[in-house]
This record gives sequence, C-alpha cells and structure tokens, in this order.
Amino acid sequence: DAGVTQSPTHLIKTRGQQVTLRCSPKSGHDTVSWYQQALGQGPQFIFQYYEEEERQRGNFPDRFSGHQFPNYSSELNVNALLLGDSALYLCASSKPEGSEKLFFGSGTQLSVL
Amino acid sequence: SQKIEQNSEALNIQEGKTATLTCNYTNYSPAYLQWYRQDPGRGPVFLLLIRENEKEKRKERLKVTFDTTLKQSLFHITASQPADSATYLCALRGDTGRRALTFGSGTRLQVQP
Repeated sequence: DAGVTQSPTHLIKTRGQQVTLRCSPKSGHDTVSWYQQALGQGPQFIFQYYEEEERQRGNFPDRFSGHQFPNYSSELNVNALLLGDSALYLCASSKPEGSEKLFFGSGTQLSVL
Repeated sequence: SQKIEQNSEALNIQEGKTATLTCNYTNYSPAYLQWYRQDPGRGPVFLLLIRENEKEKRKERLKVTFDTTLKQSLFHITASQPADSATYLCALRGDTGRRALTFGSGTRLQVQP
C-alpha cells in the first residue's frame, strides 16, 4: 500500500515563473492538505481539499491555488514565483471527516532563483 | 493571536537519558494535541495524539502529557538512542469548525552515543 506520493522531489525555478506540484493521497484517504515549510520552521498550512473543493485556506496569497481531482489526487499551483517561495512543500492526506492524524509525503523542495 | 511555541534551541542529550520536549500554546482550546517526528528532507510522521480529557499517554518509549490549565504538553523519550535524533513537532487543531492542523516550529533533538 503506497503512502502519500509527491512529484517532483526537487524543482528549480526563476522569479516570475509558475510551478505545479502534484500529490497522490494514501489509499482510502479523500482529504488532501498542503503545507509550506521554510528551513528551520514548522509546516505552514496553505489549504485543504475535500470533494474537489477548497474547504479551508491558510494565510497565503491568491498566487497559491490548488485543485483536487475525482481520484482524490491534488495539485498545488504557484504563480509569479518570488524568492521567498523557496521551501519544502508538503502534501498530507487524511481519512474522511473525523480522522485526526495526517499522513505526509516526502515533499517537493522548490528553489526559486 | 494564536501561538504554538516550542523551544527553538536544539536539545542535546546523552544516549540512555530521557529527553523532554515542551510545547506551549496560547489562545487555543484544542480538543487534542499531536506530536510528529520529522527527519531532514522528509515529511513529518505521526507519533502520538492526546485528548483534552487525557492527562498522559504512552507508546513504547514515548510519553506525552497534556495540561490544559497550563496550556502545555510535554513529550518524553525514555532510554534515548541516537536513532531518536530528529526534529519533533507538536500540532493542534484550531477552534471548533476549523479543520487545519497547525504546527509549532519544532525542536531538534540530538542524542549523542
């Protein structure tokens, strides 16, 4: 049983470009959350998707957007990249409503030059 | 504003000793609190969850306490081993109706052989 898988593992972009990160949740999970983790910091909540809709959003600008597909997989899109967007982007999945713990992927390390 | 505080300084201990990590929070009324372990370049891994009506929870060499009056959780690793070296994150869910799990910045534990 595969856990949460994310692609790509590493990515280098330049300022102003756009990026798409992908996530496949753990089997049986239908909720996907995205987090941004800067070096030396804890993960910061970006948004959560359930039933193909954004259910909750953290304090991130509209440059960050997402999507969830019918098979529960998800994408995170970031437009107009800034140097400060360099971070580890983590995807976490969880079971339907009522399940508390998150299962994380290994993340995508994004570097913006 | 809501805050989750963990000691940002690394904790260095000798193998075999007990490691104690602290998580303090303000302006939260969490129904439960979670602890995760994170190794460099990897996503966090769930360790333990403790509910507001539980004072203490144990799992093998791990013990968590939760004091809702002090707004504090303590995480203990007994008989520590070099393999326990990692960053430990506490996390809690916001107020009723908010589904996002919010993380502290983590404490890095280094167990010396």
